[in-house]
Amino acid sequence: GQGVEQPDNLMSVEGTFARVNCTYSTSGFNGLSWYQQREGHAPVFLSYVVLDGLKDSGHFSTFLSRSNGYSYLLLTELQIKDSASYLCAVSWPNYNVLYFGSGTKLTVEP
Amino acid sequence: DPKIIQKPKYLVAVTGSEKILICEQYLGHNAMYWYRQSAKKPLEFMFSYSYQKLMDNQTASSRFQPQSSKKNHLDLQITALKPDDSATYFCASSQETGYSGNTLYFGEGSRLIVV
Repeated sequence: GQGVEQPDNLMSVEGTFARVNCTYSTSGFNGLSWYQQREGHAPVFLSYVVLDGLKDSGHFSTFLSRSNGYSYLLLTELQIKDSASYLCAVSWPNYNVLYFGSGTKLTVEP
Repeated sequence: DPKIIQKPKYLVAVTGSEKILICEQYLGHNAMYWYRQSAKKPLEFMFSYSYQKLMDNQTASSRFQPQSSKKNHLDLQITALKPDDSATYFCASSQETGYSGNTLYFGEGSRLIVV
């Protein structure tokens, strides 16, 4: 819904970084959220952004460009346990409703 | 200790039957939600409730009926079950609706298989 698109898979190496991309196409934008979901478990909130630019939260950082309908989640100093699916979600038409992308499965290799 | 309790964790139902999924949250939140996740689709919004009142409904079928007997309860009744209803149903909550509605806390889900 709302054209939230994410690549299906991403692979990276322990100790390096990974950038998970998300594009969306909607008007009336009310913000974008990122969630982590491990196989067989519930999504866990990571970050919410509504203003353009980079929001640095340590291990996880998020970037937003509203004019381009684009966001990314940046994970630094990757650990094996960061292997999970990362879900992007756009709030539309109001804050209560989140439209999720299909998620990007990140695999961190030794 | 889990703060959002969903019951049952797993269930198998026969086509045409009716089931109720239970959700209780102990976070002191005023807003609760239901989302659905199937193998073929992204996590999909179904309902939002605030102070036991329905706020948003994105579910086309009336076979899905939320029920809120207490502020911290939001059950989901599903009638006339179909195989396409097979999915994991996640209950979630947030402090309020509106801006804080973007920070959702999810339960571990109820996995429903309809045969």
